[in-house]
Amino acid sequence: QQQVKQSPQSLIVQKGGIPIINCAYENTAFDYFPWYQQFPGKGPALLIAIRPDVSEKKEGRFTISFNKSAKQFSLHIMDSQPGDSATYFCAAKITFSGGYNKLIFGAGTRLAVHP
Amino acid sequence: NAGVTQTPKFQVLKTGQSMTLQCAQDMNHNSMYWYRQDPGMGLRLIYYSASEGTTDKGEVPNGYNVSRLNKREFSLRLESAAPSQTSVYFCASRPGLAAYNEQFFGPGTRLTVL
Repeated sequence: QQQVKQSPQSLIVQKGGIPIINCAYENTAFDYFPWYQQFPGKGPALLIAIRPDVSEKKEGRFTISFNKSAKQFSLHIMDSQPGDSATYFCAAKITFSGGYNKLIFGAGTRLAVHP
Repeated sequence: NAGVTQTPKFQVLKTGQSMTLQCAQDMNHNSMYWYRQDPGMGLRLIYYSASEGTTDKGEVPNGYNVSRLNKREFSLRLESAAPSQTSVYFCASRPGLAAYNEQFFGPGTRLTVL
């Protein structure tokens, strides 16, 4: 119920391509959906996030599409560059009584953008 | 600001040895977290501290203990290391429990248990 399923595990695209990473969830209590980007040897860093009352959010070349009825969301990277090569994690936040909340992470997608 | 710092960066232990992973943040954040990252499994929450003086178990707490020493520091202890604890450990912090506060991650500690 608290899982977030992420696909694909790995992805290779050419420079300028549009990689798409998909995530699906079951728990309708999730109320916030961030994406994290992780470079080798570094900790994850927040890339972009969306609330469930919004169907799309763009920040630069990164776009999240959110389908509440299908319980799916995806990350699109426009005009991908070799510098985008990293591991991407989707996540979903759940809030408990008392205000505590936690993130559930997908398994990650390793993206390689070839020149 | 250094953000979230972790020591050590790398560690090799033998089965049964103990060690403490250190984490500190200089952003005056209230909440701190310990995650482990394993291939194909994303990040899983071990323990968290919603505020100074409180700690609670996450998804995978077995074999670990934590101490929130003060507002800045949150340590993770392995009392008797096992090969299953070979992983990359990340500490994170966030300003508080407000709904859309971002979590900031440290650079990680790569631990190998032989």
